[in-house]
Amino acid sequence: GENVEQHPSTLSVQEGDSAVIKCTYSDSASNYFPWYKQELGKGPQLIIDIRSNVGEKKDQRIAVTLNKTAKHFSLHITETQPEDSAVYFCAASRSYNTDKLIFGTGTRLQVFP
Amino acid sequence: KAGVTQTPRYLIKTRGQQVTLSCSPISGHRSVSWYQQTPGQGLQFLFEYFSETQRNKGNFPGRFSGRQFSNSRSEMNVSTLELGDSALYLCASSGDREYEQYFGPGTRLTVT
Repeated sequence: GENVEQHPSTLSVQEGDSAVIKCTYSDSASNYFPWYKQELGKGPQLIIDIRSNVGEKKDQRIAVTLNKTAKHFSLHITETQPEDSAVYFCAASRSYNTDKLIFGTGTRLQVFP
Repeated sequence: KAGVTQTPRYLIKTRGQQVTLSCSPISGHRSVSWYQQTPGQGLQFLFEYFSETQRNKGNFPGRFSGRQFSNSRSEMNVSTLELGDSALYLCASSGDREYEQYFGPGTRLTVT
């Protein structure tokens, strides 16, 4: 069935370093790949997304890359700050219309000052 | 614009009871999706409503149900609660760009 694997499950970095989180999806029909940041006691917040007709997208310190052939996509955070500390989830869905999101298992990112 | 709101934020129920959770989407959004989040199973899709119709459904038992009203507000109901239903229940709404889902803060349900 549909599955999204996410690695690593935890990631600790020093402030100013880069962080990379990787996801692999199984459903070749997936064409929309969002990333969410969830802070303690809050719901997931959409931080960046990419659609299947694009290979890379950047928004200030965060970027996402997509390799449809390998069914991989990754989140890159540069110049990390303590406020980047949170749980990050990748997800995939099949349709540009509202469709269920299949989520990865999450990565707990800790940025140490 | 106000974000997605969910009420109540916290709820404690006992096994066998039923519960109703409420979600108000972002103004103008017509699609509402519900997700269950647990430490063991992660984030799992429950169902999605659009214009008062269930458009998509996940793999949950019939004890989980929902509905949507003409103002796009949505409720989900869980009957005959089990201990395993303890979770954070998240609601997400979508607007014109339907693939972009925006989440509320969730309702933390504890079943004892």
